[in-house]
Amino acid sequence: GAVVSQHPSRVICKSGTSVKIECRSLDFQATTMFWYRQFPKKSLMLMATSNEGSKATYEQGVEKDKFLINHASLTLSTLTVTSAHPEDSSFYICSARDLRLYDTQYFGPGTRLTVL
Amino acid sequence: QKEVEQNSGPLSVPEGAIASLNCTYSDRGSQSFFWYRQYSGKSPELIMFIYSNGDKEDGRFTAQLNKASQYVSLLIRDSQPSDSATYLCAVKRGPNTGNQFYFGTGTSLTVIP
Repeated sequence: GAVVSQHPSRVICKSGTSVKIECRSLDFQATTMFWYRQFPKKSLMLMATSNEGSKATYEQGVEKDKFLINHASLTLSTLTVTSAHPEDSSFYICSARDLRLYDTQYFGPGTRLTVL
Repeated sequence: QKEVEQNSGPLSVPEGAIASLNCTYSDRGSQSFFWYRQYSGKSPELIMFIYSNGDKEDGRFTAQLNKASQYVSLLIRDSQPSDSATYLCAVKRGPNTGNQFYFGTGTSLTVIP
């Protein structure tokens, strides 16, 4: 399989601050990465598709100005939660699309965000 | 109609039994089918993928695909308590219909010792 890392794994911040989450594909290049959020005992919710060198595509209902996505290289995508509020507290998970053999998604370990 | 449908469960099986997880999908042009396992508080982990009709075996896991019925399943033989998790079915559409991935909501499996 392929390895995808996320950093940080856990973050606690005050309301109103911004938080950046990094997603890296460690052993392959990923032109496409995905950002999901998941609430406890709920299913994955796709937030946006991150494309290297172009603007991210956001799902309906996801505020692009609040969740800034930058895919500056073939191995790194970042999600910045701007002006975070307690309702943004969630488990954020990225995945990277691996096209080397088969078109497959591999997930990072996730980032647990708590906004106080 | 949802792209990918799974029975949310919970599904309970005794240790050593076969667990059968099922998934249906709506787009007949879908090409690739995936099973992920997600432990509570963790991110999904790819278990298997299948592209062709029939069975694909990997250790205790067998994926079964029936494109005519638009049905994919995962069998777990000799179930262990460590198999207790939520299993996500994912489907990738073909290039003619967007090439996108769609995930089911997951089936919760509990293996009882």
